[in-house]
Amino acid sequence: KNEVEQSPQNLTAQEGEFITINCSYSVGISALHWLQQHPGGGIVSLFMLSSGKKKHGRLIATINIQEKHSSLHITASHPRDSAVYICAVSKTSGSRLTFGEGTQLTVNP
Amino acid sequence: SAVISQKPSRDICQRGTSLTIQCQVDSQVTMMFWYRQQPGQSLTLIATANQGSEATYESGFVIDKFPISRPNLTFSTLTVSNMSPEDSSIYLCSVRGTSGRTYEQYFGPGTRLTVT
Repeated sequence: KNEVEQSPQNLTAQEGEFITINCSYSVGISALHWLQQHPGGGIVSLFMLSSGKKKHGRLIATINIQEKHSSLHITASHPRDSAVYICAVSKTSGSRLTFGEGTQLTVNP
Repeated sequence: SAVISQKPSRDICQRGTSLTIQCQVDSQVTMMFWYRQQPGQSLTLIATANQGSEATYESGFVIDKFPISRPNLTFSTLTVSNMSPEDSSIYLCSVRGTSGRTYEQYFGPGTRLTVT
């Protein structure tokens, strides 16, 4: 079993829909990262969380440390949100990142 | 935050040749990393680039195949040597900043390599 699991693997939505991507992990962490990868390959760091909730524009990220679970929400989704969203954790036992498999999001106009 | 640029952004290379990828950061950073993302896969750490000393390679990656230089705190290169089609991947440079006790991690735009 992977240490970081994401669901769903693929998600298709209509423009304007509310979207949730989930991430569960099984190890102790110092931080959880949400990353966005566009088709060109470059990766943008969206959030780094160690507790609670963060909001940036239409994006909201939450984390529940006790349940070892995080969610990324996108409100009023838009076709430009189409990308792969990757959850990654910084383990407490080391400094490297452990990545989930990613969620491919497609938002249709 | 850190802004990272990579050159080239993409390349198509013949098998048996080598390609050097450059990573430039707009600020001095302690830790720089090189990742590989094979088609349809998640990111895999190749090595940590250490300034002034040899890179630290992850299991399955060796210096002869992926030599890395880190001459200063803002620049690093990764060479993919004696390429084969299996090396076709996106190669990403990443750096770590600090934010209190936890770490922000920033990624470059990636280099998309196709080996024919």
